[in-house]
Amino acid sequence: QSVLTQPPSISAAPGQKVTISCSGSSSNIGLNFVSWYQQFPGTAPKLLIYDNDKRPSGVPDRFSGSKSGTSATLGITGLQTGDEADYYCATWDTALTEVFGGGTRLTVL
Amino acid sequence: QLQLQESGPGLVKPSETLSLTCSVSGGSIANNYYWGWIRQAPGKGLEWIGARYYSGSAYYNPSLNSRVTISADTSKNQFSLKLRSVTAADTAVYYCVKQGALVRVDQWGQGILLTVSS
Repeated sequence: QSVLTQPPSISAAPGQKVTISCSGSSSNIGLNFVSWYQQFPGTAPKLLIYDNDKRPSGVPDRFSGSKSGTSATLGITGLQTGDEADYYCATWDTALTEVFGGGTRLTVL
Repeated sequence: QLQLQESGPGLVKPSETLSLTCSVSGGSIANNYYWGWIRQAPGKGLEWIGARYYSGSAYYNPSLNSRVTISADTSKNQFSLKLRSVTAADTAVYYCVKQGALVRVDQWGQGILLTVSS
């Protein structure tokens, strides 16, 4: 059972837009920045979004992040087959630990 | 360009101590940032193990706290993970990571699969 709650899977057609939700609490998302990570099978995760809505250099602006209260959202526009991956949200918790969501598998049909 | 590379045994026996090392190139672990470990059991999600600040203070996942130590050897530009009294539940891919802040993992090693089995 993950501290942060994400939908296990989501699917959409190429070119469409999707959003992935991440629900937490007042002891984690409600107090701290949220990061998002993208992981392809058999590879290490990669930082996609940090500080709720910032993109590291090299991440396309098709990817966006937002936070409201105790929830955060990752948005992906102009879906491509290359976006098929697992996506994880994460933040810091007052229990003095980094916490992750359970991950969302994105399928581009 | 900063690179992190894990090394260690691929197999550890139950009740023994897991020891992994992360070698860092392209930057110094003594200058700044948090240096830590994250693991992923087969087919499962990510679990943060802990991180050590360059100045020495460390944070550990409370669920593992009593079994974990992260240390650093600045002369070799390496940091290490020790996890005591392992069980099959500790079987996972272990990633060494650089955290620009405790809420952000900027860089990941490629990961190393560690199996706990007799």
